[in-house]
Amino acid sequence: SQQGEEDPQALSIQEGENATMNCSYKTSINNLQWYRQNSGRGLVHLILIRSNEREKHSGRLRVTLDTSKKSSSLLITASRAADTASYFCATDAHNQGGKLIFGQGTELSVKP
Amino acid sequence: ETGVTQTPRHLVMGMTNKKSLKCEQHLGHNAMYWYKQSAKKPLELMFVYNFKEQTENNSVPSRFSPECPNSSHLFLHLHTLQPEDSALYLCASSQEGTSPNTEAFFGQGTRLTVV
Repeated sequence: SQQGEEDPQALSIQEGENATMNCSYKTSINNLQWYRQNSGRGLVHLILIRSNEREKHSGRLRVTLDTSKKSSSLLITASRAADTASYFCATDAHNQGGKLIFGQGTELSVKP
Repeated sequence: ETGVTQTPRHLVMGMTNKKSLKCEQHLGHNAMYWYKQSAKKPLELMFVYNFKEQTENNSVPSRFSPECPNSSHLFLHLHTLQPEDSALYLCASSQEGTSPNTEAFFGQGTRLTVV
């Protein structure tokens, strides 16, 4: 069954603005991961946050995790046109044997 | 370059054809996966192989047949597919067992069109 659900499904912003994407999930997790996918290509891992972590940074990316609300957010600061892609959250759930279950993704469009 | 290579990148096949998708990983991982990505739908996990043994088959129709001859190679054999099987098929690998906190590495995918 689908574990992660992203919100919004699509987001359009201007270059330089911040982009925030949210992910909700249903069961207890070991970790939550965010991936990026350029159109028709494979997924690229961006960042992993463990269940005992609340916030993590990587360059212009900031991820938060609230296990009490079973939700996570991905913030991209000072966005660039090259950030245009689909972004997916994936959960490594306790009852999934280490398999990643992906959400539907958020399509981000950054206009120059 | 993620260390996971899929071939072919594009494939058009008729409903009566038999074809195979190939995935190879150069990362020393012990787990490999097939995912299906259709338009406007979440990635669907199809098969999981761990140490060459199939550990998951997510109710995938028998017209899809996986094969994992060793921990570096994974195949998806296709026969008598339907047009609704047209999708992007993604292979991924990861290192399972040593830590629950590992990332997956994806290939570039095979864009399959069934006509």
